[in-house]
Amino acid sequence: AQRVTQPEKLLSVFKGAPVELKCNYSYSGSPELFWYVQYSRQRLQLLLRHISRESIKGFTADLNKGETSFHLKKPFAQEEDSAMYYCASYEAAGNKLTFGGGTRVLVKP
Amino acid sequence: ETGVTQSPTHLIKTRGQQVTLRCSSQSGHNTVSWYQQALGQGPQFIFQYYREEENGRGNFPPRFSGLQFPNYSSELNVNALELDDSALYLCASSLKTGSTEAFFGQGTRLTVV
Repeated sequence: AQRVTQPEKLLSVFKGAPVELKCNYSYSGSPELFWYVQYSRQRLQLLLRHISRESIKGFTADLNKGETSFHLKKPFAQEEDSAMYYCASYEAAGNKLTFGGGTRVLVKP
Repeated sequence: ETGVTQSPTHLIKTRGQQVTLRCSSQSGHNTVSWYQQALGQGPQFIFQYYREEENGRGNFPPRFSGLQFPNYSSELNVNALELDDSALYLCASSLKTGSTEAFFGQGTRLTVV
C-alpha cells in the first residue's frame, strides 16, 4: 500500500522568509503527486500537481524519484499562506488518493 | 457552476446505530469519492463511485457502504457505528475517474457517543 509522510506537523515562519514543506512517498511505480491546501474555514482544494510543473501562488514542488520526495517550496512566505497543507499520491489501482498527515503553516507578521 | 455540497453538516449518533451521509457532486462530474478524516490526521480514502458502480475501495470494513445515483449524487452509509467512527467525512467529485482534480465538499462532522 502507498504511504505518504509529512514529517512536520507545524511550520512557523516569518513573513518574507522561505518555507519548505516536506513530503515523502512510498510507491514503486510512476507516482502522481499533488499538494492540497485548506485555508481557515474553507474546503480542501488542489494547490498544484507535479505533472503540470507550474507555480501556483508562488509555490513550486519538484518530484525527486531518487529520494522519493515531493517537497513544497515558496521563497517568500506571505501571511495569507497560513493554512493546512496535505501532500497526496494517486494510485491507479484502486483509484485512490493517499494523503499525508498534513502540515500546518503559520506565517507570522 | 455549483460546488460539492454535503448534508448534514453535523450529526450525533449513538454507538450501534446506522447513519447516512449525502453528497451532491459538482455539476458535470460523474465520479464521487468519500474520505474519513480523524482529528489531526489526513483524509483516508473509503471508496469511489463511477457511473453508479464502486470503482475502488480503501481499507474500510463492509459496514461502510455507498451508493451513487443517476444524477451522480452519492450516499455513504455506515452500519453498527463505533466510537472510532467519529470523524469528518469528506466527499469529493471529479470530472472522470483517474488522477483528475478532486473537488471537495465542506464535510459532515459525525460524532458517535
